Amino acid sequence: KNEVEQSPQNLTAQEGEFITINCSYSVGISALHWLQQHPGGGIVSLFMLSSGKKKHGRLIATINIQEKHSSLHITASHPRDSAVYICAAQETSGSRLTFGEGTQLTVNP
Amino acid sequence: DAGVTQSPTHLIKTRGQQVTLRCSPKSGHDTVSWYQQALGQGPQFIFQYYEEEERQRGNFPDRFSGHQFPNYSSELNVNALLLGDSALYLCASSFRLGSYNEQFFGPGTRLTVL
Repeated sequence: KNEVEQSPQNLTAQEGEFITINCSYSVGISALHWLQQHPGGGIVSLFMLSSGKKKHGRLIATINIQEKHSSLHITASHPRDSAVYICAAQETSGSRLTFGEGTQLTVNP
Repeated sequence: DAGVTQSPTHLIKTRGQQVTLRCSPKSGHDTVSWYQQALGQGPQFIFQYYEEEERQRGNFPDRFSGHQFPNYSSELNVNALLLGDSALYLCASSFRLGSYNEQFFGPGTRLTVL
């Protein structure tokens, strides 16, 4: 069993739909990261959170420390949101990240 | 601010050869982590450098080694390349080892081993 698991692995949505990607982790963390990776490989940090909820534009990230679960929501999805979304757990002992396998999101016009 | 930079962008090597990848951290950052991302998978932690020392290491063989320079830039060296080493190698920088600070990623170096 991976220390960080994401679901779903693949997600196809129509433009405008509300999207949720889930992440569960089994390690102790100081923070949970949500990252976006576009074709070609570049990774962009979307959120880093250790409790509660953060919002940036149409993106919302939540975390439940007791349940060791986090979600990334995208409201009013757009084709430009198509990318791989990865959650990563930052260990309590350092800044090492343990990544999930990623969720490939495709938003069709 | 140029952010995290990596070189080269792409690299093709043959089995048994050695390769050196380079990373310059974001201005003000002093901690560099290296990750290997195989096709279709999430990145895997290789090691992390702080104050010119390897501080943490993932489950990678000794063929993978690194270095951090006084200006905080870092190198990843891989000896005796195997086909399975073909991957995207990502560098991430942050400020202060173990602190609650965001990590910034470079664009990666795509290594192909033939």
